[in-house]
Amino acid sequence: GAVVSQHPSRVICKSGTSVKIECRSLDFQATTMFWYRQFPKQSLMLMATSNEGSKATYEQGVEKDKFLINHASLTLSTLTVTSAHPEDSSFYICSARDRVRNIYEKLFFGSGTQLSVL
Amino acid sequence: KNEVEQSPQNLTAQEGEFITINCSYSVGISALHWLQQHPGGGIVSLFMLSSGKKKHGRLIATINIQEKHSSLHITASHPRDSAVYICAVRGRGYSGGGADGLTFGKGTHLIIQP
Repeated sequence: GAVVSQHPSRVICKSGTSVKIECRSLDFQATTMFWYRQFPKQSLMLMATSNEGSKATYEQGVEKDKFLINHASLTLSTLTVTSAHPEDSSFYICSARDRVRNIYEKLFFGSGTQLSVL
Repeated sequence: KNEVEQSPQNLTAQEGEFITINCSYSVGISALHWLQQHPGGGIVSLFMLSSGKKKHGRLIATINIQEKHSSLHITASHPRDSAVYICAVRGRGYSGGGADGLTFGKGTHLIIQP
């Protein structure tokens, strides 16, 4: 089945630093990838939609200058949290849409990244 | 915007018990997904439903479109079933472009004790 790899799985950083999270589709091409954030005991919230070769679409309330998304190839999207602050501490997870099959029968998620900003 | 409610929020059961997790939503949908989130955070897609019932191994998912309700059942539960189970719905009229069109429930935290 389709596999989505996400790295790193956990990162601890100091306030003010930037953190890059990678999301790769390993055995399929992903025209679109989605980035979510999840706070403890809360539901996943869509942050942005990452489209290969074009600018990402951000959900209302998500700062595009703070959460930089790059989708330079059909298998890789990156989320960079710039000048991270403690309130950015959260679980970030990506999902990818299979370009060829373009189906919604299954959703393909990465393993997630737990970000802790000190 | 669709409101997705799951119940129970937490469930602890003994190995072998029959488990039922419920999901209700407020607005008509085109599809409903059941997801399993492992303790490490990774999420696996279990089912997508638009009507009726689906079965995979010990897992059964049903949906009642008229009542806006879905259930996930686990038969002969096992400690390895311990996870958070998440219901997500996709609204009608979703064209496939742009945002994923999904609204997620908060999940049901299931613990199966040996």
